[in-house]
Amino acid sequence: AQRVTQPEKLLSVFKGAPVELKCNYSYSGSPELFWYVQYSRQRLQLLLRHISRESIKGFTADLNKGETSFHLKKPFAQEEDSAMYYCALMDTGFQKLVFGTGTRLLVSP
Amino acid sequence: EAGVAQSPRYKIIEKRQSVAFWCNPISGHATLYWYQQILGQGPKLLIQFQNNGVVDDSQLPKDRFSAERLKGVDSTLKIQPAKLEDSAVYLCASSSLAGVSFPSSYEQYFGPGTRLTVT
Repeated sequence: AQRVTQPEKLLSVFKGAPVELKCNYSYSGSPELFWYVQYSRQRLQLLLRHISRESIKGFTADLNKGETSFHLKKPFAQEEDSAMYYCALMDTGFQKLVFGTGTRLLVSP
Repeated sequence: EAGVAQSPRYKIIEKRQSVAFWCNPISGHATLYWYQQILGQGPKLLIQFQNNGVVDDSQLPKDRFSAERLKGVDSTLKIQPAKLEDSAVYLCASSSLAGVSFPSSYEQYFGPGTRLTVT
């Protein structure tokens, strides 16, 4: 069965520090993986997807099929990065998203 | 473009009462999703519509939950009767599968959600 695991409920860092939000998945196929973000009082929105190999707001995520991971990284955290981050896997057969439990990132000044 | 609209934003009901939520997706989006997000968890898909047909409702508790999308646009999600464990945020999302580009067809746009409290 598809599963997404985000082991950290809360990650607290200081401004300028590197950030890595962990995501591991289980899926019996070729996965499509995403990071969604929810800023305070805002809607859940797409941050980035692995297939695009893009960097959004300084964040990158690399799919590691050997380790079944899709960790989100940023070299220098900013206060405005404070938000709830969800890793999600697309079941391409049914076109539905399976979300992890989320990690709250708190960036302190 | 206007985003996904949902109403009401908040609802408090007593257990065994009924409640309905409404969603208006982004114009032209063929696919509509309803998610349940319990506190401390990620969103869980309840039902997915493609136009006005159901694609996946495997996680919808059909003894008490129902959803419809009669004209392939707006959708309503109903709970009858509600239980304490139904307290959650109910999210509606939509996506377009008409895009030529593969990645763009999988982006889901979320509404603000309806926070339901069952007492």
